[in-house]
Amino acid sequence: QVQLVQSGAEVKKPGASVKVSCKSSGYTFTGYYIHWVRQAPGQGLEWMGWINCDKGDTKYSQKFEGRVIMTRDTSITTAYLEMTSLTSDDTAVYFCGRTSGLDYWGQGTLVTVSS
Amino acid sequence: DVVMTQSPLSLPATLGQPASISCTSSQSLVYSDGNTYLTWFQQRPGQSPRRLIYQVSNRDSGVPDRFSGSGSGTDFTLKISRVEAEDVGVYYCMQGKQWPPAFGPGTTLDI
Repeated sequence: QVQLVQSGAEVKKPGASVKVSCKSSGYTFTGYYIHWVRQAPGQGLEWMGWINCDKGDTKYSQKFEGRVIMTRDTSITTAYLEMTSLTSDDTAVYFCGRTSGLDYWGQGTLVTVSS
Repeated sequence: DVVMTQSPLSLPATLGQPASISCTSSQSLVYSDGNTYLTWFQQRPGQSPRRLIYQVSNRDSGVPDRFSGSGSGTDFTLKISRVEAEDVGVYYCMQGKQWPPAFGPGTTLDI
């Protein structure tokens, strides 16, 4: 069965960077895109961007352009979201999801940014 | 950018009774391939979102048939024919026709 398993919670100081992983199984990793979506505490869902797990090309929401890097390692069927220059506004749960239809989601990774 | 709105934002429901959520997009969601890229998600408390309906009215595998989606162009509806306790949570519509994809603000359903 399709599964997306994300890395554990992170606590970071303002100005730091964080890298979240999303391990895929149960399907052909390179046949799909992985999308990243975040959810601030008590708030709605916000689209961040995607990575083509075959070719590695990416597309980011303008809001995150320059501060987000999405990568993947096909040998271990894992996608990554790296975010730099963190502020308290980046405190959120970060989700990975498969395809543009988001038919499967990871369990989410809480990133807390606090001094 | 396409803006998604939902109503109501809060939906007190009654067990066994129907419930309905509306979603409106600022632009038509009909893509050049003829498909309409409107998706509905359910997020139960403390869980990841789960896709319920894609392309307006196609129910995902395992989704109870009491959930149905309808609409066209810019106006869409998610209906629950008989609300059950497990339906408590937040419901989001999302457009996937135009970059960037966008979610509605969410509708909180409680009993």
